Order: sequence, then C-alpha cells, then structure tokens
Amino acid sequence: NAGVMQNPRHLVRRRGQEARLRCSPMKGHSHVYWYRQLPEEGLKFMVYLQKENIIDESGMPKERFSAEFPKEGPSILRIQQVVRGDSAAYFCASSPNRGGPDTQYFGPGTRLTVL
Amino acid sequence: KNQVEQSPQSLIILEGKNCTLQCNYTVSPFSNLRWYKQDTGRGPVSLTIMTFSENTKSNGRYTATLDADTKQSSLHITASQLSDSASYICVVPPGDSNYQLIWGAGTKLIIKP
Repeated sequence: NAGVMQNPRHLVRRRGQEARLRCSPMKGHSHVYWYRQLPEEGLKFMVYLQKENIIDESGMPKERFSAEFPKEGPSILRIQQVVRGDSAAYFCASSPNRGGPDTQYFGPGTRLTVL
Repeated sequence: KNQVEQSPQSLIILEGKNCTLQCNYTVSPFSNLRWYKQDTGRGPVSLTIMTFSENTKSNGRYTATLDADTKQSSLHITASQLSDSASYICVVPPGDSNYQLIWGAGTKLIIKP
C-alpha cells in the first residue's frame, strides 16, 4: 500500500506564473489536508477536503490560492500569480475518516521556489 | 492565542548520548499532545500521542512526558543514534477540532558520530 504521494517534489516558478501541486492520498483515504511550512517555521493548516467538497479552507489565503479534490484523480493545490513569499514546503496529508489527527498520514512534500 | 513553542531551536549531541527536547503550549481547550519526527525532505511521522490523563509514554528509545497543569511536555531520547538526526515537532490539536493541528517550529537535532 503506497503512502501519500506528492508531485512534483520540487517546483521552481517565476513570479507571476502558476503553480500546481498534486497529492494522491493513501488507498482508501477520502480526506485530504494541505499544510504550508515556511523556512524555520511550523506547519500551518491550509485546507481540508473530501471528495468533491471543501470542508474547511480557513487557512487558505483569500486570493490566488485554490484547492480541489475531484471525484477522480489527485487533490490539486493551485497557486496563481506566485510571489516570492509563496516559496515554502507544501505538505499533503490524508486520512481514512474524519478521525483524530493521529490518522493523518503525510506525504513527502513539494518544495516550491519562486524566483 | 493557540501557540506551541519548542526549545532548543537546535541541538547537537554525540552518538550514544541522551537528550531532552521541550515543548510549551497555550492551546485551549486541550485534548492531546503529539510528537512528530520529520526527516530532512520527508513528511512528519507520528512518534507518540498523549492524552490529558497520561504523564509518560514511551516508544522505544523515545519517552514523552506531559504536565497538563504547567502545559509542558518533553521528549527524551536515550542512547541516540545517527538516524535520530531530524526535526522533532510538538503538535497540539485544539480540543474543539479533530483535524486542525497547531504545530511548533520544531527542534532540529543533529547526532554526530
């Protein structure tokens, strides 16, 4: 059973471009969470999704950021018109149900660098 | 404001030695406290979870303690190994959420041979 998969592992974008980060949850998991980790800081919750539904996006910046988890395929975190401050590691976690945090399994992360 | 603070920020010890990492939290209401290990370039992996009623919990060479009165926790690593080199992160979920997590910034531990 493969773990949570994220791709790409590293992404370089120039200011103004779009970044698309993908997350494939563990098999059987229908809940996905996205976190952002700035250098030297802890992870910050961004959004919680179930298939075709955004449950909680209270941690998402109001502009340029969007997330989806379609019926088929991976969850996508999209950042439009990236700026240097978006440079960070973005982690995805999945869980089989809306249980406690110990049921969240993390992917290896995508490291976004904005030039 | 819900916060988790860790100390030290970084620590270097020799292989075979013991060390203790500290965590202070102000998350309310309190439900449980977790320690994660994050290897460089990897996602966090859960080491231990402690509920309000637990004072001590061990996982191999890792022993976590919790003092809910002073809102402090520690992670003690005995007989350190090179593979223990990683960031150790203290995480406290707010008691009114079963999926949001408040993360500390972590302690970066380096084990030298």
